[in-house]
Amino acid sequence: AQKITQTQPGMFVQEKEAVTLDCTYDTSDPSYGLFWYKQPSSGEMIFLIYQGSYDQQNATEGRYSLNFQKARKSANLVISASQLGDSAMYFCAMREGTTGGFKTIFGAGTRLFVKA
Amino acid sequence: EAGVTQFPSHSVIEKGQTVTLRCDPISGHDNLYWYRRVMGKEIKFLLHFVKESKQDESGMPNNRFLAERTGGTYSTLKVQPAELEDSGVYFCASSHAGTTLGIQYFGAGTRLSVL
Repeated sequence: AQKITQTQPGMFVQEKEAVTLDCTYDTSDPSYGLFWYKQPSSGEMIFLIYQGSYDQQNATEGRYSLNFQKARKSANLVISASQLGDSAMYFCAMREGTTGGFKTIFGAGTRLFVKA
Repeated sequence: EAGVTQFPSHSVIEKGQTVTLRCDPISGHDNLYWYRRVMGKEIKFLLHFVKESKQDESGMPNNRFLAERTGGTYSTLKVQPAELEDSGVYFCASSHAGTTLGIQYFGAGTRLSVL
């Protein structure tokens, strides 16, 4: 069965430092997509970054990068130069299939606290 | 461009009552999804519309839940009658048809409290 595991319920990081949020996944489908979403206290889920299973390079979006290790089935999110506004809940998610119309499964989330 | 909008943001009802949640997807997005997060647990898929058709409703918990998307625009999710275990945050998401990335854009959710 498909599964997303986030083992860190909470993380602390000092402002301006980098932080890595862990995510491992399990699927038997060779084609899948991995996502990270941010949920601030306001509640909305904000899409951060995407990695396709066939992508050769790790995805990057500004201060966000995805450390994709396919053989280990891990897709860790790296946030560089943390800011106070990065304090939020972060969800790792996976979509199976190659088209846009498939359901997504989520991990339990990691709450990140950025300290001044 | 307006994002996914959900109404209401918070609903408090008593057990046995009926509640209807509404989702307005991003304009032009054919795919619409409903998810639910019960306190302390993962976000779970409920169902998926492609335009007005239900593509996958395997995540709907039981027949007290009814989702509709008349005309392929906004969607409603009705819970009737509501039970205590229905409490949680209900998210709606939408995505563009035909994209290979499948990025789903989420609304802020409706927090449902059943007392």
